[in-house]
Amino acid sequence: QVQLQQYGAGLLRPSETLSLTCVVSGGSFSGYYWNWLRQSPGKRLEWIGEMNQSGRTTYNPSLQSRLTIAEIYRSQFSLRLTSVIAADSGTYYCARRNTMLSPGDFFDFWGQGTLVTVSS
Amino acid sequence: DIQMAQSPTSLSASVGDRITISCRASHNLMNYLNWYQHEPGKAPKLLIYAASSVQTGVPSRFSGSGSGTDFTLTIDGLQPEDFAVYYCQQSFSSPFTFGPGTKLEIK
Repeated sequence: QVQLQQYGAGLLRPSETLSLTCVVSGGSFSGYYWNWLRQSPGKRLEWIGEMNQSGRTTYNPSLQSRLTIAEIYRSQFSLRLTSVIAADSGTYYCARRNTMLSPGDFFDFWGQGTLVTVSS
Repeated sequence: DIQMAQSPTSLSASVGDRITISCRASHNLMNYLNWYQHEPGKAPKLLIYAASSVQTGVPSRFSGSGSGTDFTLTIDGLQPEDFAVYYCQQSFSSPFTFGPGTKLEIK
C-alpha cells in the first residue's frame, strides 16, 4: 500500500522559509506526479504545485515566485516556500496525482498533513 | 483559473437518508471532476474520479454523475462515518482547483 509520510517545521516567523519533506513508500515513484496542497483556516483546499520523476515542475502562479518543489533523494520530495507571511499558515499536504487511469486524473494518496503556523 | 462552486454549503441529514451535493465549474471540464471526503484531522480521501468512477474500496452507496460544468455526488443510505466535509476538484487544467466544500452534519 502506498504511503506518504511528511515532516518539517511547523512554526515559522514572517519572512522565514517553509521547508517540508514527503517520503513515499510502498509504490513506484515514477509514472506519477508528486504534489503539495494546503488548506488555510476557513478556506478551501489550494493546490500549490507538483513535480514528476524527471524533475519537471508545475507551480500555482499565485505562489510561483516563492516556491520550489524538488526530489531531494530517491522517493522523497520537498517543498520550499520563501518569505512566508501569516496567510501562508494552514495544513500542508503532500499527495500523489495519478493519471494512469485514463481519463482519470486525481489525487489518490495523501500525507497525514502538517500544521504550519506563521507568527511573530 | 477554473472556478468551482458547490451547493449547499452545509447539509443536515439523518442516518439512512439519501443526499446529493452539487458542483458547478466555470469552464467545461468534460468529466475531469473528482470528489473527496475530508474528516477533521485526517487527509482528504478520494471517493469518485472522472465524475462517476468509484475509487477502489469506497462503499457502493457513493456515486457521482454529470459532465461539462454540472456534477453531482450522491450518498444513498447515509452511515455515521459519512458525516464529514465533501469537496469537488477539477483536474481539467492547472492550477487544479477545489470547491469550497459541503459540510454534512447529523440531524
